[in-house]
Amino acid sequence: AQKITQTQPGMFVQEKEAVTLDCTYDTSDPSYGLFWYKQPSSGEMIFLIYQGSYDQQNATEGRYSLNFQKARKSANLVISASQLGDSAMYFCAMRDEGAQKLVFGQGTRLTINP
Amino acid sequence: SAVISQKPSRDICQRGTSLTIQCQVDSQVTMMFWYRQQPGQSLTLIATANQGSEATYESGFVIDKFPISRPNLTFSTLTVSNMSPEDSSIYLCSVEHGGLTDTQYFGPGTRLTVL
Repeated sequence: AQKITQTQPGMFVQEKEAVTLDCTYDTSDPSYGLFWYKQPSSGEMIFLIYQGSYDQQNATEGRYSLNFQKARKSANLVISASQLGDSAMYFCAMRDEGAQKLVFGQGTRLTINP
Repeated sequence: SAVISQKPSRDICQRGTSLTIQCQVDSQVTMMFWYRQQPGQSLTLIATANQGSEATYESGFVIDKFPISRPNLTFSTLTVSNMSPEDSSIYLCSVEHGGLTDTQYFGPGTRLTVL
């Protein structure tokens, strides 16, 4: 069965610093997708970045990058030059090939301090 | 990405009553998903709704409690029936709209409080 683990319940970072949010996963399917979402206090889920299991390079989207280490089954989100608006919950999620549903981790609450 | 709206954005309901949540998408999509997020928790899939067929429910969720309609390719409703305080959650709909990646995009959510 799929499983996503986020071991950091909370992270506190100074503004403008880079931050890494950890995510490990477990699946027996060789083909899968990994996703990161941001959830501000308003409750909406905002898609940030996607990494496919067969992608040769780490995904990047603006200030977001994904440190994908397939052998370790980790997919850490890196946010560069953090901003106050980055304060939110961050969820890692996975979907196996052929499956339709996303399985989410427990999330990490990120707080950016001025 | 698709633009998704949900109504209502929030509601406070009495136990024993029912609430229907609407999800509207600005483009036609094959599959729509309904998730529940209990306070302080992660998201859990309730069911997948395809147009023209019965919704597929995840373990622990039943149609009598969470009936779903999918009348067309841009709209779906989720009803939370015979509510109890344990149903207090954020309910989110999502759609797949991402080409090869099939990324799921979420609506703004409905924040439900049951007294």
